[in-house]
Amino acid sequence: AQSVTQLDSQVPVFEEAPVELRCNYSSSVSVYLFWYVQYPNQGLQLLLKYLSGSTLVESINGFEAEFNKSQTSFHLRKPSVHISDTAEYFCAVSDPAGGGNKLTFGTGTQLKVEL
Amino acid sequence: DGGITQSPKYLFRKEGQNVTLSCEQNLNHDAMYWYRQDPGQGLRLIYYSQIVNDFQKGDIAEGYSVSREKKESFPLTVTSAQKNPTAFYLCASSPRGGLTYEQYFGPGTRLTVT
Repeated sequence: AQSVTQLDSQVPVFEEAPVELRCNYSSSVSVYLFWYVQYPNQGLQLLLKYLSGSTLVESINGFEAEFNKSQTSFHLRKPSVHISDTAEYFCAVSDPAGGGNKLTFGTGTQLKVEL
Repeated sequence: DGGITQSPKYLFRKEGQNVTLSCEQNLNHDAMYWYRQDPGQGLRLIYYSQIVNDFQKGDIAEGYSVSREKKESFPLTVTSAQKNPTAFYLCASSPRGGLTYEQYFGPGTRLTVT
């Protein structure tokens, strides 16, 4: 079974500083990878995804993630965070061989941006 | 507006009572899912359904039941057999076999059982 590891449960960072949220997954076979964001007491929203092609994927609000097959990682980065980026971030993986619909989530990383 | 609705947003029940959480989608998605979210544990899959009148157990199905009589609806019943039902419950949907493979989430229902 797939598993996803988000080693950092909380990441505090000052506004305008860069940030990296780490994600590693267990499978060595082809996978689809996702980052979701959750604001307090709300559902999850898709931030970005990797299905195939370029290993660097970007979101519309300045986040990017790089798929690294050899390290089985999909770390999320932003060069300069804003106070509004404070939220919980979840990495998720699906197995295309299984139809691709079922996702396995990490335990989440709480990003807290401070002034 | 297309999306997923969950009601109510907050739900309070006494121990020993069954309670049903509502999930409706108008995205014409075939697949629907129920997750439970607890602090520090991420999302855990309770049940999922890939087509009407069919559903499968997820990782933590004990103490829960579901039905899928209509494409747009996937209600979850938290039974009295669920030992620790207080949690945030999230419903999601996705197009079955769709190329994007992403799931779309509802706003969640926070259930408190005392």
